[in-house]
Amino acid sequence: DIQMTQSPVSLSASVGDRVTITCRASPGMNNWLAWYQQKPGKPPKPLIYAASTLESGVPSRFSGSASGTEFTLTISSLQPEDFATYYCQQYNAYPPTFGGGTKVEVK
Amino acid sequence: QVLLVESGGGVVQPGRSLRLSCAASGYTFSNYAMHWVRQAPGKGLEWLTVVSHDGGRKNYADSVNGRFTISRDNSHSTVFLQMDSLRPEDTAIYFCVKDWNLVAAPIYYFENWGQGTLVTVSS
Repeated sequence: DIQMTQSPVSLSASVGDRVTITCRASPGMNNWLAWYQQKPGKPPKPLIYAASTLESGVPSRFSGSASGTEFTLTISSLQPEDFATYYCQQYNAYPPTFGGGTKVEVK
Repeated sequence: QVLLVESGGGVVQPGRSLRLSCAASGYTFSNYAMHWVRQAPGKGLEWLTVVSHDGGRKNYADSVNGRFTISRDNSHSTVFLQMDSLRPEDTAIYFCVKDWNLVAAPIYYFENWGQGTLVTVSS
């Protein structure tokens, strides 16, 4: 199975901050990677697929990028509604696997 | 608008069975593979199983293979998860999820999620 190592586990940030979350995958993985946002008591919401393509309706302050086996989710200017837990997920190889999650908290 | 509504969760004793249902609407159900993904309390996400758009192919995570069975009824736009030999570690919220890919083999990108149903395995 492809292991997704997500970091940090948690971070504290303020509204307006630039936030970066990273997922590292096993070697050989291509860009079949997605990012999800989850708020308490809610299901995950897809944000980005194919490493950098925004889902319809997702604000442009969210962006994704890839460099080799390192994938990054960036929030350019954190908004109050962005405090949540974020998960990466690879769908490059079977079985699909998720990162452990990053909780973005209020500083 | 895609809507997925799970039901059937509850409290069950270890070793017993439970059957979850997921009613889909807002799209052509028979054109898409369907998955179940779970989340233990306070933990991360774990993919469990998938059924192809026509029900002909199924895959399972090692953690549930041989104990859980996925099926679907395209005439009623419903997917099921039969869970047997339940263990305390199966305690989780179970999400019904629609695959992104139209008709072709699932690509395991989880485009639409239900709200989830809680299963608690405890004596």
